[in-house]
Amino acid sequence: DTEVTQTPKHLVMGMTNKKSLKCEQHMGHRAMYWYKQKAKKPPELMFVYSYEKLSINESVPSRFSPECPNSSLLNLHLHALQPEDSALYLCASSQDDRGHVNTEAFFGQGTRLTVV
Amino acid sequence: AQKITQTQPGMFVQEKEAVTLDCTYDTSDQSYGLFWYKQPSSGEMIFLIYQGSYDEQNATEGRYSLNFQKARKSANLVISASQLGDSAMYFCAMREAVYNQGGKLIFGQGTELSVKP
Repeated sequence: DTEVTQTPKHLVMGMTNKKSLKCEQHMGHRAMYWYKQKAKKPPELMFVYSYEKLSINESVPSRFSPECPNSSLLNLHLHALQPEDSALYLCASSQDDRGHVNTEAFFGQGTRLTVV
Repeated sequence: AQKITQTQPGMFVQEKEAVTLDCTYDTSDQSYGLFWYKQPSSGEMIFLIYQGSYDEQNATEGRYSLNFQKARKSANLVISASQLGDSAMYFCAMREAVYNQGGKLIFGQGTELSVKP
């Protein structure tokens, strides 16, 4: 099973709403990532979890709050978003992040988020 | 400074012909990995091929091959016998051997490939 599953696939939310994006993998990977991608642009790294601990926060605004309840799950909690936060949010996982350059990342299909 | 450069925003290729997508990179590390991903309009990033900096042979995976020229710091993707289903965005990416840095995968700007029937 080389699958990363993201839910929901589409999400429309108001600027005062609170919502969560979910990501799940069962490959035994110990590194999980959140990326944000605008149309026709490359993915931008937001957060990295390594062995269920937050290892990198790429200066992401606090209205985005990641959570890693266990080694298979990764959540992204959203609160008071702005219209410019509308994007494709991609989750990825890899075996680990211990400096192994050949570690490919497996991506989910993403959640298309629209903030109105 | 941008570490991965893809200079072709868009490319067209005739079905059944070969196409080369360019990628150059910049790193001072001796150990690094280069990846190509395909992203169809559905959004999923699909891993295609990997090349390690110490690999002497060019990587191949089916119709995909990577033309790795280390001295020129280029890692071009060659798709042979293009198919209509190859129409997608293609990203070149690099991972450097930085312990405990989250294994950052750095992406280029992408090339949008369109295959014509």
